[in-house]
Amino acid sequence: AQKITQTQPGMFVQEKEAVTLDCTYDTSDPSYGLFWYKQPSSGEMIFLIYQGSYDQQNATEGRYSLNFQKARKSANLVISASQLGDSAMYFCAMSPPLTSGTYKYIFGTGTRLKVLA
Amino acid sequence: GAGVSQSPSNKVTEKGKDVELRCDPISGHTALYWYRQSLGQGLEFLIYFQGNSAPDKSGLPSDRFSAERTGGSVSTLTIQRTQQEDSAVYLCASSLLAGGPYEQYFGPGTRLTVT
Repeated sequence: AQKITQTQPGMFVQEKEAVTLDCTYDTSDPSYGLFWYKQPSSGEMIFLIYQGSYDQQNATEGRYSLNFQKARKSANLVISASQLGDSAMYFCAMSPPLTSGTYKYIFGTGTRLKVLA
Repeated sequence: GAGVSQSPSNKVTEKGKDVELRCDPISGHTALYWYRQSLGQGLEFLIYFQGNSAPDKSGLPSDRFSAERTGGSVSTLTIQRTQQEDSAVYLCASSLLAGGPYEQYFGPGTRLTVT
């Protein structure tokens, strides 16, 4: 069975510094996708970045990058030059294998990030 | 364009009453998902719809929960005989297709409080 683990319930970072949010996953299938979402206090989930299991390069989207280490089964989110608006809950998620016949995504428990001025 | 909308935004109901939560997905999105998020917790999958395929109901916590999607668009999540443990935020999401690299677009959620 697939599983997502986020071991950091809360993180602090100084404004303008970089921060890494950890995500490890478990799957026995070689085909899967990994996502990161941000949930501000307003409650709406916002898609940040995607990494496919066969992608050769780490995904990047503006200040967000995904440190994908397939052998270690980790997909850490790196936020560069943190801003106060980055304070939010961050969720790592995994899409099921293409061969599974299901589209049931698995979400981690989240990491609450607080950016300090 | 318009995002995913959900109504009502807040619902307070008495224990034992039935409630209906509505989700309007992004036009053209074939996949629609329902999740439940309890206070400070992660997302709990409830059900998804993909095109004309039979929905995956494996996440529904009990037979008091049901959902339908009419005409491949609007979806309604119904909770019968509500219990206090049903209190949570119910999130709806849609994506162009299910699975693969297609990200989910989430609605603002419906906060359900059962008194």
